[in-house]
Amino acid sequence: QKEVEQDPGPLSVPEGAIVSLNCTYSNSAFQYFMWYRQYSRKGPELLMYTYSSGNKEDGRFTAQVDKSSKYISLFIRDSQPSDSATYLCAMGELDMRFGAGTRLTVKP
Amino acid sequence: EAEVAQSPRYKITEKSQAVAFWCDPISGHATLYWYRQILGQGPELLVQFQDESVVDDSQLPKDRFSAERLKGVDSTLKIQPAELGDSAMYLCASSFGAGGPGEQFFGPGTRLTVL
Repeated sequence: QKEVEQDPGPLSVPEGAIVSLNCTYSNSAFQYFMWYRQYSRKGPELLMYTYSSGNKEDGRFTAQVDKSSKYISLFIRDSQPSDSATYLCAMGELDMRFGAGTRLTVKP
Repeated sequence: EAEVAQSPRYKITEKSQAVAFWCDPISGHATLYWYRQILGQGPELLVQFQDESVVDDSQLPKDRFSAERLKGVDSTLKIQPAELGDSAMYLCASSFGAGGPGEQFFGPGTRLTVL
């Protein structure tokens, strides 16, 4: 079993939809949780960074961490075609473990 | 806006040849990471530096890979000899502090193709 599991998709939604992306993990020691967006053939771009449990909001993006369930989510409201990318979750304690990434397409 | 710089962006080489990648982290970032990302997968850590010291190289194939950060600023990752299975994106990232992963900022990556 991988330490971090992420549904690879692909996920296709119409413009304006609410998108929910999720990851589960097995290591209860993880304290840091991040979401990255990666466009094709580019490096990952940090979207959200949270420490321990709770919610964090930044514009159209909301990150949620539920440590009791070992489950993290990223919500995208009013999705745009420019949101089309691969979304990677990452988490760790002293170092980071990445999920495989979920490929999202937002159709105009 | 400060960015992590990497070069070259693309490298094609034949197996058994030597290749080298360069990374310049964001100014002031003490921690530097090299990751390998195989197509369709998430990045996997190869080596982590804190200033000029290696903190974690447990996943670095040391028989063929080497990494250095001599002055605690820029870094070089070398593969010698390259194998077909080394074809991947090599990503460099940096973060400000130590003691936890921190907010890691990635460079654009070097896409390596081994023929």
